[in-house]
Amino acid sequence: LAKTTQPISMDSYEGQEVNITCSHNNIATNDYITWYQQFPSQGPRFIIQGYKTKVTNEVASLFIPADRKSSTLSLPRVSLSDTAVYYCLVVGGDGGATNKLIFGTGTLLAVQP
Amino acid sequence: DTGVSQNPRHKITKRGQNVTFRCDPISEHNRLYWYRQTLGQGPEFLTYFQNEAQLEKSRLLSDRFSAERPKGSFSTLEIQRTEQGDSAMYLCASSFSGKTPFSYEQYFGPGTRLTVT
Repeated sequence: LAKTTQPISMDSYEGQEVNITCSHNNIATNDYITWYQQFPSQGPRFIIQGYKTKVTNEVASLFIPADRKSSTLSLPRVSLSDTAVYYCLVVGGDGGATNKLIFGTGTLLAVQP
Repeated sequence: DTGVSQNPRHKITKRGQNVTFRCDPISEHNRLYWYRQTLGQGPEFLTYFQNEAQLEKSRLLSDRFSAERPKGSFSTLEIQRTEQGDSAMYLCASSFSGKTPFSYEQYFGPGTRLTVT
């Protein structure tokens, strides 16, 4: 399964756009990229999933270049409540039929007023 | 609230005791997962059920751990002869495979925090 690398932490201010980049150099053809958000003392929450180009939902956008070796999660106009850990995951491949998730340590986003 | 519930939310036990956790997934979800999370780390996969069948177990799941999902509904995770290293947050997640086979959206419960003293 492709290993992911993302920054350990990021700081931002309210109202700014935040971009978190994840590298996954060994992504396989049938792998997808998915992002989860986790607040303290809660389970992770699905944010977005993509295979290539751009995916947008009501919460975030996901940009994936043609070579798919990286991806960028974009959070528009963050607020204090967006302070959380964000996980980038590559899924499929060795996840096989179980669709199990393999989490790294994630990026701790701290939003300041 | 994701619709996945876990009980108890907190459990303090003494080393050597047995503990059991329960997970109630979203009712129409046929897939159920257990993960374990320690401080500062992401969740680690423990085991997976499709309906009532346990189809995969991680090497992390020692023989002191057992999980069941009778009738393909709720699930239980039991830890026998607990050790201090078992202290962690135990997370349950569920998903539905039928709608979109390549969807990796799992719905996580709030977790059960286990402290072994």
